[in-house]
Amino acid sequence: GAGVSQTPSNKVTEKGKYVELRCDPISGHTALYWYRQSLGQGPEFLIYFQGTGAADDSGLPNDRFFAVRPEGSVSTLKIQRTERGDSAMYLCASSQQGSDTQYFGPGTRLTVL
Amino acid sequence: AQSVAQPEDQVNVAEGNPLTVKCTYSVSGNPYLFWYVQYPNRGLQFLLKYITGDNLVKGSYGFEAEFNKSQTSFHLKKPSALVSDSALYFCAVRVFTGKLIFGQGTTLQVKP
Repeated sequence: GAGVSQTPSNKVTEKGKYVELRCDPISGHTALYWYRQSLGQGPEFLIYFQGTGAADDSGLPNDRFFAVRPEGSVSTLKIQRTERGDSAMYLCASSQQGSDTQYFGPGTRLTVL
Repeated sequence: AQSVAQPEDQVNVAEGNPLTVKCTYSVSGNPYLFWYVQYPNRGLQFLLKYITGDNLVKGSYGFEAEFNKSQTSFHLKKPSALVSDSALYFCAVRVFTGKLIFGQGTTLQVKP
């Protein structure tokens, strides 16, 4: 079956611009996670959705970062006034109700010039 | 604080030899532990997990991991390495909110 998909695969933007990154979870998965991975580092948690609501947003670094999942499926991570330090790979994962295993998408590589 | 440590940045092994990639953890309560593999410019692929039960867990592609509670370790192993196993490996622990905390990653290099 189809896995987690993320679009775009690459995004280059200029400092100060607004970007949106999209995640399509595996069909039927109720939980959705966003992580950020900087070069040479392990992924770091950003936010977790259970259904439509954010169950844990403790990893969002500041108020420039926001994420939504309005219908409990697709999620969008939104970054305002991008900074060069936001450059990273943004990973999305989903899991089934009652399962501990998260399945990851291929990621979106964001470069802020 | 809950954390995961992977003490080796890189592990080098010859094809056909056994491999071990080390992981230690620090969590409160019973740990839920995972191993993922990442190929260049790709997302993470799930290999195996330990939730409860047998300390030796078997996963995908012939990998296994040994949970050791007294040493707070969860080392990844494979009896006979393949060149195609060369990749970046991450150990992770799941905390009660559901999020994963990852180690820094270990690059496995298998030489022919």
